[in-house]
Amino acid sequence: EVLLVESGGGLVQPGRSLRLSCTGSGFTFGDHAMSWFRQAPGKGLEWVGFIRSKVYGETTENAASMKGRVTISRDDSKSTAFLQMISLKTEDTAVYYCARDTGAAAGRGARFDPWGQGTLVTVSS
Amino acid sequence: DIQMTQSPSSLSASVGDRVSITCRASQSISSYLNWYQQKPGKAPNLLIYAASILQSGVPSRFSGRGSGTDFTLTISSLQPEDFATYYCQQSYSSPLTFGGGTTVGIK
Repeated sequence: EVLLVESGGGLVQPGRSLRLSCTGSGFTFGDHAMSWFRQAPGKGLEWVGFIRSKVYGETTENAASMKGRVTISRDDSKSTAFLQMISLKTEDTAVYYCARDTGAAAGRGARFDPWGQGTLVTVSS
Repeated sequence: DIQMTQSPSSLSASVGDRVSITCRASQSISSYLNWYQQKPGKAPNLLIYAASILQSGVPSRFSGRGSGTDFTLTISSLQPEDFATYYCQQSYSSPLTFGGGTTVGIK
């Protein structure tokens, strides 16, 4: 079974940093681009960013809403992707999901399946 | 950025009803359009990709059509497990963007 499990969420004060992890199993992790999404309470889905596979240079793209505050990385030896967030704001409060791109490049036509169960990040003083 | 607009934002329907949800892109995205289903407290689930291709394991009562800027998700005969929120998402260009969602509720 293909599975993704996020971890690292929790309560964090504004201005602090947090690193989320996403560990995959049941597939060859390194063959796939990995993406992060988020969903604020009661709101819709928002793309955060993705990291391509090693074949595509592990290049990343991020949403403008978090540009400069987000770094996405991966460790294929651990089948894990990471989302490092700095200078967190109250509006970053959301459930953060990782999802597997069915391809390696997260290019045109990318589709995401499966998604992890999500990890809640609450930014509050 | 490509804006995705879904309509309606919510609807009420009965089991057995035919339901259609519309998604419109602010510019042509060819057929690079995905549909996801999300149930409360759960992660999204890919239903349809490339506008009309059913993801493996998804019941055939779900179908998608469209290209360019206008797309439709149809559920031919609504089942109890289909009451959920549905999102369209364009994968034509970065940033990836979603429609605002359509919540299908019980009439």
